[in-house]
Amino acid sequence: AQKVTQAQTEISVVEKEDVTLDCVYETRDTTYYLFWYKQPPSGELVFLIRRNSFDEQNEISGRYSWNFQKSTSSFNFTITASQVVDSAVYFCALSRQGGKLIFGQGTELSVKP
Amino acid sequence: KAGVTQTPRYLIKTRGQQVTLSCSPISGHRSVSWYQQTPGQGLQFLFEYFSETQRNKGNFPGRFSGRQFSNSRSEMNVSTLELGDSALYLCASYPGWGTNTEAFFGQGTRLTVV
Repeated sequence: AQKVTQAQTEISVVEKEDVTLDCVYETRDTTYYLFWYKQPPSGELVFLIRRNSFDEQNEISGRYSWNFQKSTSSFNFTITASQVVDSAVYFCALSRQGGKLIFGQGTELSVKP
Repeated sequence: KAGVTQTPRYLIKTRGQQVTLSCSPISGHRSVSWYQQTPGQGLQFLFEYFSETQRNKGNFPGRFSGRQFSNSRSEMNVSTLELGDSALYLCASYPGWGTNTEAFFGQGTRLTVV
């Protein structure tokens, strides 16, 4: 069975602090895809990144970076120099095919000024 | 390019009634997936449609159904509503099926069952 675990339910930081959101996944598939989505108060899920199981390169996009480690089945997300606008719920998700995403429970990030 | 449009945004229904939610995907996208989001269960996959055919289904009772039209618009229906059906229902659109590209989500329909 596929499963995604985000152990941190809520995180609160002060602006400009770095913060890492943890994601651990379980799957027996050799080919799979991992995603991170952001959900602001307006409700829609905003895509942040996709990574396939054969690409373990870490990625950096501005203040965002992702660390994918197959050996520990983890796909962690780091925000550097956090800002108030980063406050949202962040979801990690796993997909084997098509449009079926298995989501973690989400991490609510609160960045205080 | 217009995003994913879900209507209505908010809905209040009584137990036992039925409800139909609508999703218009991004122009050119042919796949639509539906998700239910509740505080207790989180985000759960309902079903996925591609070219008017259901390609995948989550673990929900038969009261939950859906369909997709030739223009890729999709509707989901919930019959005999229960209090536990109160949730945010999110629709996602994709260019095609099995491509594993990113999903584009609508803002959702907030359903309250009283």
